[in-house]
Amino acid sequence: QQQVKQSPQSLIVQKGGISIINCAYENTAFDYFPWYQQFPGKGPALLIAIRPDVSEKKEGRFTISFNKSAKQFSLHIMDSQPGDSATYFCAASINRGGAQKLVFGQGTRLTINP
Amino acid sequence: GAGVSQSPRYKVAKRGQDVALRCDPISGHVSLFWYQQALGQGPEFLTYFQNEAQLDKSGLPSDRFFAERPEGSVSTLKIQRTQQEDSAVYLCASSLTYRGEYGYTFGSGTRLTVV
Repeated sequence: QQQVKQSPQSLIVQKGGISIINCAYENTAFDYFPWYQQFPGKGPALLIAIRPDVSEKKEGRFTISFNKSAKQFSLHIMDSQPGDSATYFCAASINRGGAQKLVFGQGTRLTINP
Repeated sequence: GAGVSQSPRYKVAKRGQDVALRCDPISGHVSLFWYQQALGQGPEFLTYFQNEAQLDKSGLPSDRFFAERPEGSVSTLKIQRTQQEDSAVYLCASSLTYRGEYGYTFGSGTRLTVV
């Protein structure tokens, strides 16, 4: 019930294309769904986040689509660029002990071919 | 500082050795988390501090793991009698508020290799 399942494990997209990464969760108590980007040797960096009262959020080339009834959410990267090549993690948080503790997906290694 | 600083960046320990990993959060950040990231996996929660109080340690894998944040700023994660399965990247994250509504800032981590 604490898991967040992410797919695909790896993804190769041509420059200019759309990258789509999907996540599914079980615990309906989750109330915050961020996406993190991680480059080799670095910690995860927050990319974009959504709360369950909204079905879509867009920031620049990055869009989160959220389907509460299906318990799924996805990240869309429009006009994908080689600099977007990184590992992406979806996450969900549950407020426990007064803090938003993050539960991460397994990660998607994204490669954008020039 | 401008970001979350972790030291050392790399640590090689012999099996059975004790190690201490340090996290300097962003100044003034109330919340501090430790996560463990195995190779090719997502980070997994270890423990959480609100100021100096350790409010959640449910993710610590065994009693060999111990964390402290005595003055509500710098935190140390200690692993006693290290085992090979402890090899991972240990990430520290901090947040301005306890609810984390402004997001978390992660450090670059400490890569621990137990040989």
